Amino acid sequence: EVQLAESGGSVVRPGGSLRLSCVASGFRFDDYAMAWVRQVPGKRLEWVSDVNWNGGSTGYADSVKGRFTISRDNAKSVLYLQMNNLRAEDTARYFCARVIGGSELPNYEYWGQGTLVSVSS
Amino acid sequence: QSALAQPASVSGSPGQSITISCTGSSSDIGAYNYVSWYVQYAGKAPNLLIYEINKRPSGVSSRFSGSKSGNTASLTISGLQAEDEADYYCCSYSSGNTEKVFGGGTRLTVL
Repeated sequence: EVQLAESGGSVVRPGGSLRLSCVASGFRFDDYAMAWVRQVPGKRLEWVSDVNWNGGSTGYADSVKGRFTISRDNAKSVLYLQMNNLRAEDTARYFCARVIGGSELPNYEYWGQGTLVSVSS
Repeated sequence: QSALAQPASVSGSPGQSITISCTGSSSDIGAYNYVSWYVQYAGKAPNLLIYEINKRPSGVSSRFSGSKSGNTASLTISGLQAEDEADYYCCSYSSGNTEKVFGGGTRLTVL
């Protein structure tokens, strides 16, 4: 059974940093691209970032470019999102998602339950 | 990057068919066949219904189908059921600075 479990969400002050993790199980992690998608409660989904199967190709939304870094450890089956210089508008639930295949296409087949990030002074 | 445009709400009666539209531009939906659709129930993570315009992942009912014409993609749900009541989102690859864009979401009400 495919499982994705996010962690690392917390309350943080503006300008602060957080690192989110997503532990994957039930499939061969390095066969798939992975992504982070966020959602303010009651609002639309927003793509944040993605990475191809070997970490060699990454993409970022304009709103997080230069502040967030996606990475993966295929040996440990873990996806990361390093979030720096956080802003109030980054407050959201962050989901990790497995893409169909190894390339960064918007085909998010499996999702975790998300981890909550709140940026507030 | 603007979100794709979806109607805020649609409704239908059990057994009917409904269609949800998702309108983008020549930089996203019009340029690529990478449109996906998701259903989200309250308090839950989204679930993939359709990818690459009209492909269904295994386990998704054939009642769900997708199509595209120009800059607009559509999700059709046939034989509407009470359990289809949820929020539906489209997503497309884009050549803009933000590579993937979601729609604003559509709340489906089954009357």
